[in-house]
Amino acid sequence: KQEVTQIPAALSVPEGENLVLNCSFTDSAIYNLQWFRQDPGKGLTSLLLIQSSQREQTSGRLNASLDKSSGRSTLYIAASQPGDSATYLCAVSPRGLGNAGGTSYGKLTFGQGTILTVHP
Amino acid sequence: EAGVVQSPRYKIIEKKQPVAFWCNPISGHNTLYWYLQNLGQGPELLIRYENEEAVDDSQLPKDRFSAERLKGVDSTLKIQPAELGDSAVYLCASSLDPASYNEQFFGPGTRLTVL
Repeated sequence: KQEVTQIPAALSVPEGENLVLNCSFTDSAIYNLQWFRQDPGKGLTSLLLIQSSQREQTSGRLNASLDKSSGRSTLYIAASQPGDSATYLCAVSPRGLGNAGGTSYGKLTFGQGTILTVHP
Repeated sequence: EAGVVQSPRYKIIEKKQPVAFWCNPISGHNTLYWYLQNLGQGPELLIRYENEEAVDDSQLPKDRFSAERLKGVDSTLKIQPAELGDSAVYLCASSLDPASYNEQFFGPGTRLTVL
């Protein structure tokens, strides 16, 4: 059974700092890994998706890396801003492009999230 | 492009009452998911639809939960009767197809409180 762990559970930093959020997973047979952002009382916003064949993805100040063999991903946020304050969740999807009709395909397993606070 | 739409956004009911949640996925997305999110936890999959077919409902408590996706577009999740432990956020998500690498897009969720 896939298990996803995120460290730290909470992080508070001053504005302008570069920071790293960590995600680890127990089963390396993944199809992709997604990072999401969740604001209080809101749904999830997809930030980055890394396919299993990729090492990293970048979007603006965000960079996500994937080391499938070690079961790790990191989300790097450069020059943090108060507007970055939210809960960040990572989720993995099991390998299944060749098993698209199978029951496990598409099932995202989430970590518990990292609560990020960026103070002015 | 409109995102995933869910209604209602909030629902408060007494235990043993029925409740229903509605979801309209992004236009053209064949796959629809219902997730349950407890406070302080990541979402957990309840059911996945490919068009109108439920292909993974292994996590759905079938004694009280039911879902349908008529015509393979919008979907309804129902709880009858609701229990105190059902208080949570119910999230709907959709994805295009396998070629899109299963990137899932989420709606705002329905926050259910059972008294």
